[in-house]
Amino acid sequence: SAVISQKPSRDICQRGTSLTIQCQVDSQVTMMFWYRQQPGQSLTLIATANQGSEATYESGFVIDKFPISRPNLTFSTLTVSNMSPEDSSIYLCSSIRGRGETQYFGPGTRLLVL
Amino acid sequence: GDSVTQMEGPVTLSEEAFLTINCTYTATGYPSLFWYVQYPGEGLQLLLKATKADDKGSNKGFEATYRKETTSFHLEKGSVQVSDSAVYFCAALLEGQNFVFGPGTRLSVLP
Repeated sequence: SAVISQKPSRDICQRGTSLTIQCQVDSQVTMMFWYRQQPGQSLTLIATANQGSEATYESGFVIDKFPISRPNLTFSTLTVSNMSPEDSSIYLCSSIRGRGETQYFGPGTRLLVL
Repeated sequence: GDSVTQMEGPVTLSEEAFLTINCTYTATGYPSLFWYVQYPGEGLQLLLKATKADDKGSNKGFEATYRKETTSFHLEKGSVQVSDSAVYFCAALLEGQNFVFGPGTRLSVLP
């Protein structure tokens, strides 16, 4: 299994500011993903973080709002830009080591926007 | 489209009761199937998985069998504990390498 860490674990932010969340995997993985989990809801895929190229965003999510970086095979960042209270959620990083393999999740970042 | 459906919660049981959480999927081909568990204040943890028809995944007393004929992967446990209180997500890994998650089922076990 992969061990995934995220920083920060939680934060309280002001409206209009931006927050960058870091995700570190303990070994090289093929795919990394970012999800949002709104209170009491299931997971919604934001994007696939591609190593060395632009992320692939799901419908309803755009790069200007959620810029993503993945400079290498073990690390990715998600920025939540120009935040509003509607962005209050848990943001989860996940990874898959190889095609057809299990997806493992980080502990999540709990964001509250005031 | 491809989807995963779970029984709606919340489910409330007494300690040592029998648990079943139903999960069915709609997908082309034969996806791999997973159950994840999310304890309060934590991320998702893999609970068990099955990659082909008739496979049984098991872990921590939980079991689920991949039933192709009914496109189901129901989660069961013979005797639940208070520490099993969590949200349980059924998920499918589709042949296009996309994961689809169910809506989650919240389980509360009372002492």
